[in-house]
Amino acid sequence: EAGVAQSPRYKIIEKRQSVAFWCNPISGHATLYWYQQILGQGPKLLIQFQNNGVVDDSQLPKDRFSAERLKGVDSTLKIQPAKLEDSAVYLCASSLWSSQFTEQFFGPGTRLTVL
Amino acid sequence: AQSVAQPEDQVNVAEGNPLTVKCTYSVSGNPYLFWYVQYPNRGLQFLLKYITGDNLVKGSYGFEAEFNKSQTSFHLKKPSALVSDSALYFCAVRDLNQAGTALIFGKGTTLSVSS
Repeated sequence: EAGVAQSPRYKIIEKRQSVAFWCNPISGHATLYWYQQILGQGPKLLIQFQNNGVVDDSQLPKDRFSAERLKGVDSTLKIQPAKLEDSAVYLCASSLWSSQFTEQFFGPGTRLTVL
Repeated sequence: AQSVAQPEDQVNVAEGNPLTVKCTYSVSGNPYLFWYVQYPNRGLQFLLKYITGDNLVKGSYGFEAEFNKSQTSFHLKKPSALVSDSALYFCAVRDLNQAGTALIFGKGTTLSVSS
């Protein structure tokens, strides 16, 4: 079974530029998450999708971050404009369904450096 | 607010010795607890979870965790450490305060196993 795919793996941009990340979850997984992992910290949820609908985006900085999952499969996360403090690893995860008991499967992440 | 704490930034053990990585939690309801491992340049891998039932949970790669309700702890253990177990370990609890099923992660503990 293929895992969660993410691209690009690395991205370096200057502040005020825009950037987009792509995620393809495990086939058949209805729930998709985007987490932000700052160096030295654990991952923190940005947004959760159930199929193509948003379940939780309470921690997404909506003035600069946006995400979509139009067809309920792959997803993109965009930052516009980027700030220095956005330097982090952006992790995508998926699970079969949205349940308190179900584990999440993580992709390798995209490491973003904002100069 | 719900949270997890990993009191040790780093744990050092010799190969063949038992290992323990500590985690304590704070939740307002039933705790749903998880352990993940992160190898360099790779995403988080699920190790095990506690939902209900037996306080000793067995997981992948010979790891197990002991749930202790009175001490609000969920320590990760392995009877005999391997050099290949060296990695970053995260304890996580399901966030029951939000609409979705996101995880709240600790800051992580680096496990170093020496030969």
